[in-house]
Amino acid sequence: GAGVSQSPSNKVTEKGKDVELRCDPISGHTALYWYRQSLGQGLEFLIYFQGNSAPDKSGLPSDRFSAERTGGSVSTLTIQRTQQEDSAVYLCASSWGGLRDSGNTIYFGEGSWLTVV
Amino acid sequence: GQQVMQIPQYQHVQEGEDFTTYCNSSTTLSNIQWYKQRPGGHPVFLIQLVKSGEVKKQKRLTFQFGEAKKNSSLHITATQTTDVGTYFCAGLESGGYQKVTFGIGTKLQVIP
Repeated sequence: GAGVSQSPSNKVTEKGKDVELRCDPISGHTALYWYRQSLGQGLEFLIYFQGNSAPDKSGLPSDRFSAERTGGSVSTLTIQRTQQEDSAVYLCASSWGGLRDSGNTIYFGEGSWLTVV
Repeated sequence: GQQVMQIPQYQHVQEGEDFTTYCNSSTTLSNIQWYKQRPGGHPVFLIQLVKSGEVKKQKRLTFQFGEAKKNSSLHITATQTTDVGTYFCAGLESGGYQKVTFGIGTKLQVIP
């Protein structure tokens, strides 16, 4: 597609339920990031995928959070047993990766707004 | 791992005043990028700096990359209400992993 696509755009879930958030990066982009942004706050890094390398999971806040990227394209962020403090916008972003001049420009999706009630 | 610090976290200015946000990396960077996030939106790429000491301008915005390629600044001259938003720096670490690390962002409020 033309841009990074995320779904759902909005999700309200009950505390304790699992949620899955999907990201479709720009075609051909090898690098994919997940960030979390609470209202009025900065970007909290969650996880980074680059090509076939092992993902950088250093930002995942707990073992309730996991992410996978299938076939080097679509990614799914899963939050198990959701808590109210998980309420935030989850932003996915992608880039070409590599060393070309514009290769590392990050393109963000519109985000998935998660509310845990 | 690499850390990118950004200050200030918040800034309120009167319309017409200047504004500067600063970014410092714990490690030498391959390049640094700047992004702007309007309220309710997502971050959008503004510019990339690659060379040591590089200075780039976009109208009222001036971007600088330090000589050691570890720090950067964004300066806005004569702010306007359209400048409202959060400005993020993002550093690309040297080496093979090609991971970009974002600063915490500076939220700019312009008082008309």
